[in-house]
Amino acid sequence: EIVLTQSPATLSLSPGERATLSCRASQSVGSYLAWFQQKPGQAPRLLIYDASNRATGIPARFSGSGSGTDFTLTISSLEPEDFAVYYCQHRRDWPPAFGGGAKVEI
Amino acid sequence: QAQLVESGGGVVQPGRSLRLSCAASGFTFSSFGMHWVRQAPGKGLEWVAVIWNDGSNTYYADSVKGRFTISRDNSKYTLFLQMNSLGVEDTAVYYCVGETTVKGMDVWGQGTTVTVSS
Repeated sequence: EIVLTQSPATLSLSPGERATLSCRASQSVGSYLAWFQQKPGQAPRLLIYDASNRATGIPARFSGSGSGTDFTLTISSLEPEDFAVYYCQHRRDWPPAFGGGAKVEI
Repeated sequence: QAQLVESGGGVVQPGRSLRLSCAASGFTFSSFGMHWVRQAPGKGLEWVAVIWNDGSNTYYADSVKGRFTISRDNSKYTLFLQMNSLGVEDTAVYYCVGETTVKGMDVWGQGTTVTVSS
């Protein structure tokens, strides 16, 4: 079973700053890594699939990189609506696990 | 526009059963693998179960194996989760999620809340 570890758990930043979130897999997931954003009281929303592909309607300030076991989600310049919790998730095999989440707070 | 709407949540006593439904619209349901993902209060996301687009295969998290059953009716664009022998640890918001081979978990419902309490 592949385990995903996200770091840091909390990131305290200001609007306009750059956010860098990390996700490490316990074994290779290839490029089968996605990132989701979740705001309070809302369902998660797909941001990035297959490590680096933005989902439909996702702004260009969101970018993903990495392969194998180390992945990064970068938000180039934080907008007020970007303060939320972010999850990585793999679909390399079963079960398709999620990371523990990372909160980006003001 | 693709949409998933869950229903069937509520308050149930430990040991009892509950059946969740998820109504799909705006996309070709039979082309999507479907998952249930849950989130306990204040916690992260936990994958629960998946069923392939044609219903030919299912997989379950160890935490629900033998107690939960995922199924679908492609003619009615509906996904189900039969939950038996519920415990307090099953208290969570349950999300219905549609997956494509290209983008993965691309379509999410708004969730339905299940509370297991005596």
